[in-house]
Amino acid sequence: EPEVTQTPSHQVTQMGQEVILRCVPISNHLYFYWYRQILGQKVEFLVSFYNNEISEKSEIFDDQFSVERPDGSNFTLKIRSTKLEDSAMYFCASGGTSSGANVLTFGAGSRLTVL
Amino acid sequence: RKEVEQDPGPFNVPEGATVAFNCTYSNSASQSFFWYRQDCRKEPKLLMSVYSSGNEDGRFTAQLNRASQYISLLIRDSKLSDSATYLCVVKPRSSNTGKLIFGQGTTLQVKP
Repeated sequence: EPEVTQTPSHQVTQMGQEVILRCVPISNHLYFYWYRQILGQKVEFLVSFYNNEISEKSEIFDDQFSVERPDGSNFTLKIRSTKLEDSAMYFCASGGTSSGANVLTFGAGSRLTVL
Repeated sequence: RKEVEQDPGPFNVPEGATVAFNCTYSNSASQSFFWYRQDCRKEPKLLMSVYSSGNEDGRFTAQLNRASQYISLLIRDSKLSDSATYLCVVKPRSSNTGKLIFGQGTTLQVKP
């Protein structure tokens, strides 16, 4: 079964550092997403990406965050100048094909710990 | 009012029990509805989509009441492996990107 893969599975960083979380979406999917889940809280939408540009973003996704699809397979989330409150699980998801199906498949997540 | 609201539980039930979870959503223009399952510290996984006519998948039955903006999930003959957090998820009509809005989840613990 096709899957979304994310790396790293866990990253520990110092406050103020930049981190890059990587994702390989399912190959024939057209939409890519980042969500985050702070421990004990709900899964929150951050951003969606389609046709090589951001198609929608939440209030959380401010100038500290950016996304990129540098090649045909990877989809990255960059968090600049990390804060303690950025500690969370970050899930990448992909969905949507040319046939119109739009069920999202999530990756296993990248746990970010900011110290 | 929260966009998607669920009773967090936990629901503690014995094996074999029937358990029902409810969910309400605030945006009457919401387009699609789902139940996802999330195991501890894992990713959400689609359990089932929810249709207006109601739908069933084995021991799981989902219902949607658009007039009341209410979604339910019924699990019959609970198994130990059903222990997880069940997430009520809504796709708003206002978003054409497939963005999903998650509830906080309802935790189910099935005991032997």
